[in-house]
Amino acid sequence: GAVVSQHPSWVICKSGTSVKIECRSLDFQATTMFWYRQFPKQSLMLMATSNEGSKATYEQGVEKDKFLINHASLTLSTLTVTSAHPEDSSFYICSASGLGLAGSTQYFGPGTRLLVL
Amino acid sequence: AQSVTQLDSQVPVFEEAPVELRCNYSSSVSVYLFWYVQYPNQGLQLLLKYLSGSTLVKGINGFEAEFNKSQTSFHLRKPSVHISDTAEYFCAVSDRRASASKIIFGSGTRLSIRP
Repeated sequence: GAVVSQHPSWVICKSGTSVKIECRSLDFQATTMFWYRQFPKQSLMLMATSNEGSKATYEQGVEKDKFLINHASLTLSTLTVTSAHPEDSSFYICSASGLGLAGSTQYFGPGTRLLVL
Repeated sequence: AQSVTQLDSQVPVFEEAPVELRCNYSSSVSVYLFWYVQYPNQGLQLLLKYLSGSTLVKGINGFEAEFNKSQTSFHLRKPSVHISDTAEYFCAVSDRRASASKIIFGSGTRLSIRP
C-alpha cells in the first residue's frame, strides 16, 4: 500500500516552454502533498506544501509564479514549471501524506528528471 | 524549527561488515524521525520510522535505528551489509504536533560497499 506515482519520469524541453509534472496517490487519499527538488549529489529541498482544495504554501526563495502547484483532488497534484530555463533542470520528487497514514509519514514518488536545453 | 545533521557524507564498508550511519537532530519540539534510502536515479523509499514507544526501531532490509533523546541522535545500523545496500541514505525529522508536517532532510550519506 501507500504507492505514489509521478508522470513523466523524465522530460526534456526547450528553454522558455512550460512543463507539467503529475503526482498521484494510487491507493490512499492524499490530503497533503509535498514537492521537492534535488540537485545532483545534494539532499532534497522542499519547494512547497499543498493541501487539497487550497492554495499551496511555498518555501522561502521559491517563486510561486514560476512553479505553479495545483492540488485539485485527493489523489492528484500537479507542478507546472513555467518558462523553464536551464537552471531549472533538476530531479523533482513529490510525496504524499494522508488519511490512514500514521505519524506524518510521507510516501515518495519515483521522481521526474527535467532537462531544460 | 528543526534541523538534521549527517556527519558522514560518505561511508565505505566491506561487504558483510557492520555499518553505522550517524544522524543527529535539533528541534525545540517533539519530532518524528525517519530514515529513507535512495537508489541511483530513483525516488525515496522509507527504511524505518520512529513515532513513539520502543526506542529501537527495526526496518526493512535488515536495518535498525535507535532513538536517543538525550543525545538527540537516531543512528542507523546494519550488522552485515550487502552490495545491494549501496545507495544514498537520508535521515529526516518532522514536527510531531502537525498531522501532515513537512519533512526536513539531512544532507545524506552515501554508503558504498566494497566486495
